[in-house]
Amino acid sequence: GESVGLHLPTLSVQEGDNSIINCAYSNSASDYFIWYKQESGKGPQFIIDIRSNMDKRQGQRVTVLLNKTVKHLSLQIAATQPGDSAVYFCAETVHSGTYKYIFGTGTRLKVLA
Amino acid sequence: EAGVTQFPSHSVIEKGQTVTLRCDPISGHDNLYWYRRVMGKEIKFLLHFVKESKQDESGMPNNRFLAERTGGTYSTLKVQPAELEDSGVYFCASSQNSGNTIYFGEGSWLTVV
Repeated sequence: GESVGLHLPTLSVQEGDNSIINCAYSNSASDYFIWYKQESGKGPQFIIDIRSNMDKRQGQRVTVLLNKTVKHLSLQIAATQPGDSAVYFCAETVHSGTYKYIFGTGTRLKVLA
Repeated sequence: EAGVTQFPSHSVIEKGQTVTLRCDPISGHDNLYWYRRVMGKEIKFLLHFVKESKQDESGMPNNRFLAERTGGTYSTLKVQPAELEDSGVYFCASSQNSGNTIYFGEGSWLTVV
């Protein structure tokens, strides 16, 4: 869904199902991308990253896909668990004199028991 | 190894008062970043230090915000005088090399009343 004002896009997933969180990035020159997970009351926690010379990278239960043609990044979480409930942010890294990390608005993942 | 630590974790101040936030980066990390997340919106860049030098301060909202990193170790972010719209979560992050993963602290949650 659209992010309007205070409302984050929300994805509700049944426990055990797979989750796919999407992110559109803005700069075609971005060469490094990171997914972060932010639980309530905590700081963003690194999940997985990918460089622009790759289109897929797998971690433990997570996979990041990068489509540079349409400037799209996705995070796939296999067998979603209640502990996966959080806000997920993607970040792109742009180099213009110095490296700048630009964050998306975030997607709230709710895991339904 | 200790992560990025921030102090205070929570602060409630009156409009017009001054608050100073402190960040201790991961040991050995030359790059230190300040970010802010206001009312559930995206994580927005404030500034970037490389050692004690301000590499990029383009995200600082106005001259009521002053960041320092004397000696290239910990950093402080002072807001003086605080306004209501300054309420939010102030995150500090650090990285060893610019362009690589940045690691966040738990944030300093500021409420201006």
